[in-house]
Order: sequence, then structure tokens, then C-alpha cells
Amino acid sequence: SQTIHQWPATLVQPVGSPLSLECTVEGTSNPNLYWYRQAAGRGLQLLFYSVGIGQISSEVPQNLSASRPQDRQFILSSKKLLLSDSGFYLCAWLVRGWTEAFFGQGTRLTVV
Amino acid sequence: QKEVEQNSGPLSVPEGAIASLNCTYSDRGSQSFFWYRQYSGKSPELIMSIYSNGDKEDGRFTAQLNKASQYVSLLIRDSQPSDSATYLCAPYGDSSYKLIFGSGTRLLVRP
Repeated sequence: SQTIHQWPATLVQPVGSPLSLECTVEGTSNPNLYWYRQAAGRGLQLLFYSVGIGQISSEVPQNLSASRPQDRQFILSSKKLLLSDSGFYLCAWLVRGWTEAFFGQGTRLTVV
Repeated sequence: QKEVEQNSGPLSVPEGAIASLNCTYSDRGSQSFFWYRQYSGKSPELIMSIYSNGDKEDGRFTAQLNKASQYVSLLIRDSQPSDSATYLCAPYGDSSYKLIFGSGTRLLVRP
């Protein structure tokens, strides 16, 4: 079956610390992968998307970066977190054929 | 102009009524359209998708697509209090590969 895993579920990090969030997909190959951030009470902001290994497109220039080292793995990183990086981070994948797109459970990041 | 526009609401309907949620989009190359439901603090859940002009029904949900008007809607029949959530739409096309979401419409179903 096709599933998406995202971890951790919650994370509290100090300002200036690094970040690494991982998302993996099972049961499919060559999916489109997406990272979003959602501030409290707000909509989904597209951060990065990838249509293949090593291919990353950035939507919003900021303190974050993304990588896709394997076909079904998508990583969101930061070298130094800012308070404004706090939010709900969501990974999503688009099924080939564009018939469905699913989200991981999300990571709630609080930068203190 | 925003890429995807939705009325933020809240849209308040009584239990058992039909809730109508609307979405307009700017990219004429969009080919697939997704509707999601998001409960507070949770990740979005896919309700249904539509690709062709016209209506698509799935249980209590009906999606309607009009590509000429760049408009997609979601009807929820026999609304239940458990339908109270934020509803998000997202068009997709291979011209950009982006999956951009509207800001969502908050639906409140009154018992």
C-alpha cells in the first residue's frame, strides 16, 4: 500500500540550532514531493517541491533548504533556526497520474 | 491576483443542509483539482479530486468543475457537525508541478 511517513510529530528547538525533518513515501516510485509550512490559523505555504532525485524547486527564499537524496525521501533542513521558523510543517506527495495527493501527519516545530 | 482564491468564511449552515464551497484559480493549465478537509491541528485529508468539466459525486460530496470559468466547487449534502473543519482546494498542472493551496474556507455546521 502507499503511505507517507513524516517525523518527528513535535519538536522544540532553540534559536540558532539546526533542523532536519524527514519525509519518506512507500509503495510508489518517482512521486512529486512537497514541503509546506502552516502558521497558526493560516493557510499552507508551499516551501519546496521536487519532481525527481536531486531536483529541488524553492518557492520562498528563506532560512530553509530541501534535499531529495533518494527517490522516496525528502528532507527539510536549516542550519540556524529563527523564531519565525515555528509552525506546522507538512510533507505531501502527488501520485503519478495526478489523481491523488496525500499528506504526512506533520511536524509541529516550536523555536524557543 | 492570488493563484487560488477561497472565501475564508466562516460558512455557517444548519445540520442537514447543503454546504457549498467555492474556489477560483488563475492557472489555465491546471488539470487536476483536489479538495481537502483539515481539522484544527491535523494534517489535511483528501476528500476527492476532479479532472473533467462537470460534476463528480462521492457519497455526500459533489465536486463541480468549470475550466472555462476557472472555478471548482464542493457541495456537502446532509451536513453534519463532524463536517465542521477548514476546506482547502488545490489545482495542479504539469506546466509548473506546483501544488498551491487556497487559504481555505472554514465551515461550521450548527446542530
